[in-house]
Amino acid sequence: DAGVIQSPRHEVTEMGQEVTLRCKPISGHDYLFWYRQTMMRGLELLIYFNNNVPIDDSGMPEDRFSAKMPNASFSTLKIQPSEPRDSAVYFCASSLAQGAERNYGYTFGSGTRLTVV
Amino acid sequence: AQSVTQLDSHVSVSEGTPVLLRCNYSSSYSPSLFWYVQHPNKGLQLLLKYTSAATLVKGINGFEAEFKKSETSFHLTKPSAHMSDAAEYFCVVSGGTGFQKLVFGTGTRLLVSP
Repeated sequence: DAGVIQSPRHEVTEMGQEVTLRCKPISGHDYLFWYRQTMMRGLELLIYFNNNVPIDDSGMPEDRFSAKMPNASFSTLKIQPSEPRDSAVYFCASSLAQGAERNYGYTFGSGTRLTVV
Repeated sequence: AQSVTQLDSHVSVSEGTPVLLRCNYSSSYSPSLFWYVQHPNKGLQLLLKYTSAATLVKGINGFEAEFKKSETSFHLTKPSAHMSDAAEYFCVVSGGTGFQKLVFGTGTRLLVSP
């Protein structure tokens, strides 16, 4: 398995532009997570999906952020319009939860480093 | 609610000496506990996990951790540090009925000197 695949690896954009980050989870995993990592705030959970349905988006910072999961093999995180304070590394992770059993951990992608100038 | 406290933001060791990264957890339920490692400019990699089986858990690269319920601790250790161990380490907790999301600690940066 190729693991969780994120694209692009790096993105530099101008303030006000739309940015779309992409994620392909591990095949068969039924949970998908979007995280943001900064020096100031550490690792923050933005949103997560179960079977393509958003379960908890309480971590999404504001309406400029949106996430979709149109099918089991693809998810996007969109920022529109982007601002310099959105500069961070964005990670996608996926997980397989075996019914009602406890969480066995996530597999993370390599991240997208976003710089908004 | 679940939470973890990583007691040291930075730990410095010399190559060949033991490593101890400390983590205390709080959970209303019987927790699952994890350690993740992040090398510079890389993603997070699962080192090891405790999910109510043996209290001493062995992970990759010679790391291990012991779950101590009486102390609510899950410290990460390695007998002999290697230069390649220099990275950020995250202690993580999950707990509750059904699927529960992971709660990450703030991380401990391990520095290894020659």
